[in-house]
Amino acid sequence: AQKITQTQPGMFVQEKEAVTLDCTYDTSDPSYGLFWYKQPSSGEMIFLIYQGSYDQQNATEGRYSLNFQKARKSANLVISASQLGDSAMYFCAMREGWKGGGNKLTFGTGTQLKVEL
Amino acid sequence: DAGVIQSPRHEVTEMGQEVTLRCKPISGHDYLFWYRQTMMRGLELLIYFNNNVPIDDSGMPEDRFSAKMPNASFSTLKIQPSEPRDSAVYFCASSLPGLAGTDTQYFGPGTRLTVL
Repeated sequence: AQKITQTQPGMFVQEKEAVTLDCTYDTSDPSYGLFWYKQPSSGEMIFLIYQGSYDQQNATEGRYSLNFQKARKSANLVISASQLGDSAMYFCAMREGWKGGGNKLTFGTGTQLKVEL
Repeated sequence: DAGVIQSPRHEVTEMGQEVTLRCKPISGHDYLFWYRQTMMRGLELLIYFNNNVPIDDSGMPEDRFSAKMPNASFSTLKIQPSEPRDSAVYFCASSLPGLAGTDTQYFGPGTRLTVL
């Protein structure tokens, strides 16, 4: 079974609109972390936002917020007021357990977001 | 602050040649990870180090791949001999475990390897 599922291979959004990128995960570990990364066409991986499994509130970072629904095992990324520069591939990733830092990330297949004028 | 530094950014080599990829983690980070990204397999972890010691190399595809971390500020990933199926983008990432389980991994710009 896939540990991280991103069901939207591609998304379009108009500039200044909000967009939600879906991510569902599968783990039996009560302690886990969820991450979103952005990969623009230049290729680098840029960290956007983190949500811990025990966090009571949804994470927010500027225009990025994470809609964390633990019971549904979903961690959707919401980008508000989309900008042309938001056009990129977005990856959801999960870290299972907590070993004091040495935890590998499992990545989803990504969602290609295109922001249009 | 300098981020993770990788070199070279692009490497084109011929099948059978040795390839060495280099990484300098963020200063003070004690975990270092090597990932590979391909269209077919996505992003996959190859190996990671803690305090210069390899902890998990189960993702290393075969004996042709080796990685070392001789000190806290330098790591190499070597492929010998290289094959066309090794063509991919190789990322290095580093992290410093924080409070409350935060352990964000910060990625370098990647090395795009093409094996002809």
